[in-house]
Amino acid sequence: DAEITQSPRHKITETGRQVTLACHQTWNHNNMFWYRQDLGHGLRLIHYSYGVQDTNKGEVSDGYSVSRSNTEDLPLTLESAASSQTSVYFCASSSGQGAADTQYFGPGTRLTVL
Amino acid sequence: RKEVEQDPGPFNVPEGATVAFNCTYSNSASQSFFWYRQDCRKEPKLLMSVYSSGNEDGRFTAQLNRASQYISLLIRDSKLSDSATYLCVVNSVGSSNTGKLIFGQGTTLQVKP
Repeated sequence: DAEITQSPRHKITETGRQVTLACHQTWNHNNMFWYRQDLGHGLRLIHYSYGVQDTNKGEVSDGYSVSRSNTEDLPLTLESAASSQTSVYFCASSSGQGAADTQYFGPGTRLTVL
Repeated sequence: RKEVEQDPGPFNVPEGATVAFNCTYSNSASQSFFWYRQDCRKEPKLLMSVYSSGNEDGRFTAQLNRASQYISLLIRDSKLSDSATYLCVVNSVGSSNTGKLIFGQGTTLQVKP
């Protein structure tokens, strides 16, 4: 069955370290998204991609970067982790077939920055 | 004003009750509407899409009122397993690819025995 996976599921790191969170989907979806979810803020879009070599900034992109070298993967990199980036991170994908496009989410990565 | 607004709750209801959640959205050009369900510490999952004519899936009914920019979700005969957070979701307008979604903060439902 097609799916979307994230790794690691839990990560503890120190302030200033570079961290990469992996997202892999086997839906062959064009669109991929990264969100963070914090109490009081709901899901906030970090970066997104509409296809290979395409990346775009979301509403909370500062301190994060992504690259899309193939259809299946959109890794999220925290260049220099900060305590404010402690959060739950969700990756999602959608087919890119139009306005009624359902997003499917990965299981999430819980990141703690000490 | 937030683009998608929901009452965060929590809504505490007994088993068997009927409960309704409401959501308002700010952009009248929005075209696609969804309800997602999120269980504690889990990923959001699509519950149902919301169509202009309204739609029903078992105990769940979704309604859209474009004039008032208002979406609702009705749950009949609540089960303990319905306890979750329900996210109101609207497509983002104005982007070249309409795949972006805007999520409300969610409404928490707790069904009690």
